[in-house]
Amino acid sequence: DGGITQSPKYLFRKEGQNVTLSCEQNLNHDAMYWYRQDPGQGLRLIYYSQIVNDFQKGDIAEGYSVSREKKESFPLTVTSAQKNPTAFYLCASSIQRTGNTIYFGEGSWLTVV
Amino acid sequence: EDQVTQSPEALRLQEGESSSLNCSYTVSGLRGLFWYRQDPGKGPEFLFTLYSAGEEKEKERLKATLTKKESFLHITAPKPEDSATYLCAVQVEGFNKFYFGSGTKLNVKP
Repeated sequence: DGGITQSPKYLFRKEGQNVTLSCEQNLNHDAMYWYRQDPGQGLRLIYYSQIVNDFQKGDIAEGYSVSREKKESFPLTVTSAQKNPTAFYLCASSIQRTGNTIYFGEGSWLTVV
Repeated sequence: EDQVTQSPEALRLQEGESSSLNCSYTVSGLRGLFWYRQDPGKGPEFLFTLYSAGEEKEKERLKATLTKKESFLHITAPKPEDSATYLCAVQVEGFNKFYFGSGTKLNVKP
């Protein structure tokens, strides 16, 4: 089945540690996105990528990094510079056209311990 | 400033009691308005896309409508399995700029 796979579902980070969240899609979508969701707030865009080897910062990119070496993959690294990383992280993808629908993965929970 | 506001924040209904959720937006250059359903601990599930004022779309007990300033998600005779958070998003400025509302948490009691 086509879809977006995020892993791991649950991740714990120690202070000062970098962690990487995986996102893979087999929908043949050009664009991929990372969003952060906090309780009671809307989704906030961290990074997005329209094509391989290119990506742009979203509204809350500080403390995060991404890569796009393959069309299917868009991993997100939460660095130690992100001071409040505990949140639900959502990866999404879409085709590249105006009015395109974005589709989401099942999400990853990151908790600082 | 572009903004999306959903109301109410939470809604409790009895099974069979119809109601509507609201998504109001103040954006320039609307390219599309999207509704999603999100269950606890899961990613949002796509429901509808609306592109222009006057457009309507239906799926089972759900009907989405769009005006120039807001969208409504009408729920007719809801069932407990309709309980979820419903998210609204708008797309502006081309392909990749989306603004999300904070959602309406719907609880349908049997």
